[in-house]
Parts: sequence; structure tokens; C-alpha cells
Amino acid sequence: NAGVTQTPKFQVLKTGQSMTLQCAQDMNHEYMSWYRQDPGMGLRLIHYSVGAGITDQGEVPNGYNVSRSTTEDFPLRLLSAAPSQTSVYFCASRTSGNTDTQYFGPGTRLTVL
Amino acid sequence: SQKIEQNSEALNIQEGKTATLTCNYTNYSPAYLQWYRQDPGRGPVFLLLIRENEKEKRKERLKVTFDTTLKQSLFHITASQPADSATYLCANNAGNMLTFGGGTRLMVKP
Repeated sequence: NAGVTQTPKFQVLKTGQSMTLQCAQDMNHEYMSWYRQDPGMGLRLIHYSVGAGITDQGEVPNGYNVSRSTTEDFPLRLLSAAPSQTSVYFCASRTSGNTDTQYFGPGTRLTVL
Repeated sequence: SQKIEQNSEALNIQEGKTATLTCNYTNYSPAYLQWYRQDPGRGPVFLLLIRENEKEKRKERLKVTFDTTLKQSLFHITASQPADSATYLCANNAGNMLTFGGGTRLMVKP
């Protein structure tokens, strides 16, 4: 199993550009989520999904959109990038139980100029 | 609001000693806490989960305690090794949302 994969690994955007961060998992996990990690702020939940067709907001959802059309994929869209969205983004997945082990991807480092 | 806090200062210890990291929570009573390890440039990796009624849990050289009176979890690494150097994160589920502390960086010197 590849586990949780994320692309790209690095990305530089200009203010106002849009892009999609890709996340895929091959473990048939129902639950997937996106976090951002900033120095001194820890990991903060952006959006999550408990299954295909179902998404919900986390702690910091503004400026981001998600969709979940398949169990495997959970892309994160930045509609109009802002410098405040410069961060490292992590995708994670787990089975349906809240105490189940959460598996993280390797991260995408995004810089918005 | 729920808050989970870790000492943001780095912890430096000598190889062979026991490292002890602290996670404090306020304004709520979590049913369980999780601990993760994160190496530079990588995603967090799950280590241990402890439930509020378990008080203590062990895995190899790792030990986690849960004190609901102090609202605190302690994470111990015994016989520490330079390879244990990393950032350690505690986290708690509030329903479907996992909330993380800021992490504590551990440096084990040979």
C-alpha cells in the first residue's frame, strides 16, 4: 500500500491564483481530512470528510474548498491564494472510529507571494 | 473553547536519560488523548492512544499517563536515543475533529 499520497510536494503561487492540492489514499478509509501547519500554531483542521459525498468544515475553512467524489481522493482547492495561506498542508485518513489510527501524508509546502 | 497545550520550548536531554513531555488541556474533559511523532519535512506518525480510564499505557520504551485531576498527559521515553529526536504532538478528538497541541521538540544528545 502507498498509504496517503499528496501532490505536489512544493508549490509557489502568486496572490490571487487558484490551485488544487491533491490527496489520495489506498487503504479504503472512510474519513479524510486536511490540516495546515504553521510555526508556533501547530496543526489546524481545515476540512474533513466522513465518506464519499460528505464534507464538513474544520477550525480554519475560509479560503478553501473540498469535495469527496470517491473514497480514495480528497482534493483541497484554494480559490484565490493569499499570502496568509503560505503553510505546510497535510492530508490524513483513518477508518470510521474516532480512536482509530490517523495516517498522514508527506505534506505540501505552499508559498504564496 | 477547548484548548490543548504543550511546552513550546525545546527539550534537550542526554542519551540514556528519560525524556518527559507534557500535554495540558483546559475547558473540557477529553475521553482520550493521542500522541504523535513528527520528523522534519514529514507528516505526523501515530504513537499511542490513552483513554481517560487507563491512567497509564506503555509501548516498548514509551509510556503515557493521563491524569484527569491535573488535566494533563505525560509522555515518557526511557533510555532515550539520538534517533528519538523529533517533535512530539498530543491531540484529542472532539467528535470528528482532531485538535493538536503545538508540539514539543525533543533533542537527544549523544
